[in-house]
Amino acid sequence: AQSVTQLGSHVSVSEGALVLLRCNYSSSVPPYLFWYVQYPNQGLQLLLKYTSAATLVKGINGFEAEFKKSETSFHLTKPSAHMSDAAEYFCAVRLTGFQKLVFGTGTRLLVSP
Amino acid sequence: ETGVTQTPRHLVMGMTNKKSLKCEQHLGHNAMYWYKQSAKKPLELMFVYNFKEQTENNSVPSRFSPECPNSSHLFLHLHTLQPEDSALYLCASSHLFRTSGRISYEQYFGPGTRLTVT
Repeated sequence: AQSVTQLGSHVSVSEGALVLLRCNYSSSVPPYLFWYVQYPNQGLQLLLKYTSAATLVKGINGFEAEFKKSETSFHLTKPSAHMSDAAEYFCAVRLTGFQKLVFGTGTRLLVSP
Repeated sequence: ETGVTQTPRHLVMGMTNKKSLKCEQHLGHNAMYWYKQSAKKPLELMFVYNFKEQTENNSVPSRFSPECPNSSHLFLHLHTLQPEDSALYLCASSHLFRTSGRISYEQYFGPGTRLTVT
């Protein structure tokens, strides 16, 4: 069965610093992978997705993620954090041909001035 | 309205009340989902509807009763809830291609209904 593990329930960075949120997946077949962001009192918004077209995926708000099959990872990065990036981030996996999304437990990003 | 909308945004109900949550998607999708988001727990998929038919029920207690009258609307009827049912309830939609069976990659989420059971 597929699953995702997000390392670190909280990540703190200073404004302007690199953002790195970790996601490792477990899947017996190549998966589709997603990062969603949730701002306070809002639903989930898709940041980016990996669908096997390219290993480096660029998303909205300057975020990107790289699919590394050898490491079964799909870490989310942003070169320079902004205060508005403070939110909760969820990694999710879906197998080809299946409808169900499996989410990680989320990582809360805190950005300090 | 665009995207996925949910009403009400906040709901407080007693354990003996009956209430309903409403979800509407304006994306032309034909698959809809209910999720429960509780503190410190991963998102839990509750129900899946494809082309108005329920295709998945993840062992959800019968005090939660979904209804999907058409591909654009999804309801969650609530009755005799417990305090542990307090959570954010999220609706999502995606697209299924009927002839090929292909599934669109991502799901689009509504803003959620914050439910508090007293």
